Amino acid sequence: DAGITQSPRHKVTETGTPVTLRCHQTENHRYMYWYRQDPGHGLRLIHYSYGVKDTDKGEVSDGYSVSRSKTEDFLLTLESATSSQTSVYFCAISESKGYTGTVSHTFGQGTRLTVV
Amino acid sequence: AQKITQTQPGMFVQEKEAVTLDCTYDTSDQSYGLFWYKQPSSGEMIFLIYQGSYDEQNATEGRYSLNFQKARKSANLVISASQLGDSAMYFCAMREGYGGSQGNLIFGKGTKLSVKP
Repeated sequence: DAGITQSPRHKVTETGTPVTLRCHQTENHRYMYWYRQDPGHGLRLIHYSYGVKDTDKGEVSDGYSVSRSKTEDFLLTLESATSSQTSVYFCAISESKGYTGTVSHTFGQGTRLTVV
Repeated sequence: AQKITQTQPGMFVQEKEAVTLDCTYDTSDQSYGLFWYKQPSSGEMIFLIYQGSYDEQNATEGRYSLNFQKARKSANLVISASQLGDSAMYFCAMREGYGGSQGNLIFGKGTKLSVKP
């Protein structure tokens, strides 16, 4: 499995402050994704990247921006955090799994963000 | 309209019994993939099983099998011989179009499974 590390794992921030979450992978995967998880909603796509400097919006991109200046790092920024952005954030990559080569997401451990 | 529907917010099953978690999907694509993930209380997302839209046989992975009924657009997860460690949240997800290395997943809202001793 790809080594995917999210940092920080937990963060409490105040409304209106900028916040950046980092996703780091060690195996040169091209596609990376940011999802948020909220009770009653499952996981929803925020932004994704298909290469260095190539990113696109997902279903719930308002209030978020991303950057990918290196293959291994995908950053998610909340320019001015709001309470509605309190959530668990997951980074993911696409990789082949098992002998069938099924392409599936592998997720990071998640970042729990609380905006007060 | 929801693309992935999981109608069971919570379920209970007796240890060692089989359980079926329901998932229906909506897509107009001919090529798509269906996934199940497990999320234990520790929070990580664990890939369980995959079914491609062109796969004629139901996918199986150990105690997990996917009951794929294409005409009904359903992709139910069957867990045989439930174990206490199966207690978790289970998510059904779909990737539309030809996947390859690309394609985000669309998730259902999840089913919380509790296994009783």
